[in-house]
This record gives sequence, structure tokens and C-alpha cells, in this order.
Amino acid sequence: GAGVSQSPSNKVTEKGKDVELRCDPISGHTALYWYRQSLGQGLEFLIYFQGNSAPDKSGLPSDRFSAERTGGSVSTLTIQRTQQEDSAVYLCASSLGSRGSPLHFGNGTRLTVT
Amino acid sequence: AQSVSQHNHHVILSEAASLELGCNYSYGGTVNLFWYVQYPGQHLQLLLKYFSGDPLVKGIKGFEAEFIKSKFSFNLRKPSVQWSDTAEYFCAVNSEAGANNLFFGTGTRLTVIP
Repeated sequence: GAGVSQSPSNKVTEKGKDVELRCDPISGHTALYWYRQSLGQGLEFLIYFQGNSAPDKSGLPSDRFSAERTGGSVSTLTIQRTQQEDSAVYLCASSLGSRGSPLHFGNGTRLTVT
Repeated sequence: AQSVSQHNHHVILSEAASLELGCNYSYGGTVNLFWYVQYPGQHLQLLLKYFSGDPLVKGIKGFEAEFIKSKFSFNLRKPSVQWSDTAEYFCAVNSEAGANNLFFGTGTRLTVIP
């Protein structure tokens, strides 16, 4: 597609439920990133994929968070047993994968845990 | 671990005023430096980047940034701001030695009053 596509754009869920967030990167982009944007917290790095592998998972805040990427394309971020502090905008970005390649961001998924 | 500091959380300026947003990073090795901008209701996009060479980098819309290695800084400047520059600005760092992930600061919200 023309840009990075994320779905859903908004998600409201009850505390304790699981959620899946989807990211469709720009075709041909080998690198894919997940960030979390909270008010006053800036962009918090979660995980980075190069192809289907994740060389850096250091940003995942707890074992309730997991992500996968299949076929070197679409990625899903799963949050199990959601908590209110998980409420944030989850941003996905992709790039060509060479060092310093600019990131192209999606519009994000706004997650609200009630 | 790398970190990026943006000390100005919210800056309010009148049109035609000059702008300087601070960015400091903590990493002693070779780095790539970026400024991203997020206009209201839009996704993050690259404003400018520094890899090597001339430490004064020019970006889009009249923005520039200067890399001062001795100060670990990469401040963003614009001589005369416009109302349309109202946005949130994020500084980001990618180390040459680390994985190809990008660490962001907490962002600076700029409000330009017409």
C-alpha cells in the first residue's frame, strides 16, 4: 500500500481482556517497529523486527505483551489480560532496514482499557 | 542503554519568533540523529537527519539542526516560525553499534500563536 496501515484505529476493551493490534507495513520494507505513545511519555520503544525475527524485544513492558511478524510483512501486537495502564496509542513504523533509514509511521491504534 | 532528553515540554511562541528546541542524548559512540514532527491529527514524519559530515543539517520547511558532539546535543532551530509549525517535535537517536532500533525523546509540543 501507499503507507503503513494499522487496525483498528480505535479499540475500547474491558480490563482483563486480550487485544490484538495489526500493522501492515509499506511493501518492501524489511524493518518493522512498534512504539507506545502515552501522554507525557513520548514514544516508548517496544519491539523491532528485521524480516520475521525480532533482534530487540527489550522494550516489551511485561510478559503480557507479545508480537509476531509473518511472511516478512504483517505484524500483530498482542496484549493479554489488559490493564488500565496499557491505555495508549500504539504506533507501528516500517523502514527499508538499512541503518538510518527513516521510519514511516502509521496513524496508530488508540487503545482504551476500561 | 541509550537515552534521549528533550528538556522543553511545551513551547509557546508568536509568529516570526525564532525557535530552538533542545535535544541531548547519552551514548558515547557514533550515532545517527533525527528529528520527527507530528502535526495535529497526522502521523509522525521525518523532519531531518544527521549521519556524518557537516554537523549543520538542513531539513524541510526551513528547519535546521546542529550536531555538537562535545555536548551530545542535536538542537532544532528555525529562524522564524509560522502558525503552521504548531506540532509536536521528537528527537531520536540510533547508535551505530547497536541494533537498528531508534530511541525517541519525550517530545516537545510547539504552539505558535498567530
